[in-house]
Amino acid sequence: DAGITQSPRHKVTETGTPVTLRCHQTENHRYMYWYRQDPGHGLRLIHYSYGVKDTDKGEVSDGYSVSRSKTEDFLLTLESATSSQTSVYFCAISGASGGLTSYEQYFGPGTRLTVT
Amino acid sequence: TQLLEQSPQFLSIQEGENLTVYCNSSSVFSSLQWYRQEPGEGPVLLVTVVTGGEVKKLKRLTFQFGDARKDSSLHITAAQPGDTGLYLCAGEKTSYDKVIFGPGTSLSVIP
Repeated sequence: DAGITQSPRHKVTETGTPVTLRCHQTENHRYMYWYRQDPGHGLRLIHYSYGVKDTDKGEVSDGYSVSRSKTEDFLLTLESATSSQTSVYFCAISGASGGLTSYEQYFGPGTRLTVT
Repeated sequence: TQLLEQSPQFLSIQEGENLTVYCNSSSVFSSLQWYRQEPGEGPVLLVTVVTGGEVKKLKRLTFQFGDARKDSSLHITAAQPGDTGLYLCAGEKTSYDKVIFGPGTSLSVIP
């Protein structure tokens, strides 16, 4: 168990409001990722981090920003939520700690976000 | 453009039957992973295959990586209701690059 949690687990928000999702890990893994999962699209990478303050964009990064000020926390922010951002969001970690290589990922339980 | 294709998209079988799901690409991957995801939960890593032609077994699940490292298959023998879930393949094109996920195969095993 890599000790990864996500908060909140469920959230309903209105269009135009800012939303921040939190991912927290306890095992000092180097890499952290944010994905969204939608029917017919599978898991799509939003942003990822390869260290404190080191982040990069994924394939669906528009409308999202991230921050990683500590090894254990990776925040995903929707600056102004839109209905198209209704989805299930997963955080994942990977790295040498805990037996995971850089390409094997351990996922959190997910956050279900609804934008009305 | 989906770099990793999975087939079939949906599969419903009776308990005790065998099945195979496929993960295909036109690209070469240095490694490929299979995950299983149950409703309301995150994906869980099942196996990683690295060498072309490699075969790995996990109880009733057999995973194979194609010789050219462009495709993989997952075979389940004597499926059980506990095998129900979404099976995802994921590939790493080069070391330390981002991983690409396929769209998944949704498996339902009926008691």
